[in-house]
Amino acid sequence: GESVGLHLPTLSVQEGDNSIINCAYSNSASDYFIWYKQESGKGPQFIIDIRSNMDKRQGQRVTVLLNKTVKHLSLQIAATQPGDSAVYFCAETVKAAGNKLTFGGGTRVLVKP
Amino acid sequence: DAGVIQSPRHEVTEMGQEVTLRCKPISGHDYLFWYRQTMMRGLELLIYFNNNVPIDDSGMPEDRFSAKMPNASFSTLKIQPSEPRDSAVYFCASSPDRGREKLFFGSGTQLSVL
Repeated sequence: GESVGLHLPTLSVQEGDNSIINCAYSNSASDYFIWYKQESGKGPQFIIDIRSNMDKRQGQRVTVLLNKTVKHLSLQIAATQPGDSAVYFCAETVKAAGNKLTFGGGTRVLVKP
Repeated sequence: DAGVIQSPRHEVTEMGQEVTLRCKPISGHDYLFWYRQTMMRGLELLIYFNNNVPIDDSGMPEDRFSAKMPNASFSTLKIQPSEPRDSAVYFCASSPDRGREKLFFGSGTQLSVL
C-alpha cells in the first residue's frame, strides 16, 4: 500500500537557524499534501498545504517544496524558535480515492537555545 | 469556536471493559474522522463520516470497534471488549466541505487498557 515517510528521525536545530524537514511519498497519484505540527499532549495542527500543480508555497516563516519527479516534500522553517519544537507530519491524499489523508511517521524537531 | 472537543482526556480501564470515546466536531463541519496514534504505527485513520453517514470504515481494526454519529454535533467511538493492544491516543478531527482535506484535530483521548 501507499506509504508516506514512515520514519521518526530527530532534527536538532539551534535557535535562529533554519530547519528543513523532509518527507518521501510513494503514491505518484497523490495530488494534495499537508504539513501538520504536533506539540506534546496535543493533536496535530495544520501548518501549510500544497497541491500537486505547484512546486512551492510560502506561509509565515514556513515554505513547502514539492518535487513530484522524485516524490519528495520538504518543509522549511525560517529562524526556528523554541515554540517550533514539536513533531512534524507530512500527509498526502488522492482526491479520486476519497477524503482520506495518509500520514507519515513524523520528524521530531528539537530547538536548542 | 472552541475547536474539536474530545472526552475524556485520559481513560484507564481493565481488559474486557467497554470504552466509549466522545467527540464534538467544529460547528458547520461536514466531515468527522477518528484516528488512532501509536508509536509503532503512527496516525491511522479508523473511520470517517460525511453528514453523519459513515463513508469509510476500512480502518476499523476489528468488530470490537464501532463508531456512531447520531447528529452533526456528536460522535462516539466504542471498544467492546477492550484489550491491552488498544492502548493508544485516539483523535477526532473534523473538516468543512470546502477544504475537506484540511483537518482540525481535537486534543485526543489517551487510552490505557491494563
